[in-house]
Amino acid sequence: AQSVTQLDSHVSVSEGTPVLLRCNYSSSYSPSLFWYVQHPNKGLQLLLKYTSAATLVKGINGFEAEFKKSETSFHLTKPSAHMSDAAEYFCVVRTSNTGNQFYFGTGTSLTVIP
Amino acid sequence: NAGVTQTPKFRILKIGQSMTLQCAQDMNHNYMYWYRQDPGMGLKLIYYSVGAGITDKGEVPNGYNVSRSTTEDFPLRLELAAPSQTSVYFCASLAQPSSYEQYFGPGTRLTVT
Repeated sequence: AQSVTQLDSHVSVSEGTPVLLRCNYSSSYSPSLFWYVQHPNKGLQLLLKYTSAATLVKGINGFEAEFKKSETSFHLTKPSAHMSDAAEYFCVVRTSNTGNQFYFGTGTSLTVIP
Repeated sequence: NAGVTQTPKFRILKIGQSMTLQCAQDMNHNYMYWYRQDPGMGLKLIYYSVGAGITDKGEVPNGYNVSRSTTEDFPLRLELAAPSQTSVYFCASLAQPSSYEQYFGPGTRLTVT
């Protein structure tokens, strides 16, 4: 079975400080991993994805994530938080054996303090 | 391109009523998905479709039905609404499995009382 665990339900950072949102996955098969962002009352937007190429993945708006197979982790980072980063973030896994299905973590709510 | 559109944006249903949530995409994507998002939870897959005429169950299909008669449209039907179906519903599409990026609609907020 595959699953995704987002280790923090809420994260607060000050504007201009680094962001770390943690994600661990469980999968017996080669995973594809994604981070999506959801701003209030909006749909989801893809931030970045890992699909078995480079393990350090760069996304939009200065976000990046590193796939660490030994730790089964895919943490999302950003060097300097901006007020517009305040949103809900979802880690998502797709495995080769599930084909067309994607599994979502429960989300991390990011607050940016001015 | 309008992308993925969903109607209605909001709906209140009484227990036992039925309704259809509409989803359409104009990107000629083969794969389409219906998810529900409950407060404090991630998205759960209800049904998905890999092309016109083909649908399959996801994690939480009970109480729902879908059809896919065209590539563009993927409606979700609630036959006998229950309070447990109060949720936000998202439709998404995917060009093909290897492209991996899902495109999401803005969601439908449904309340069953």
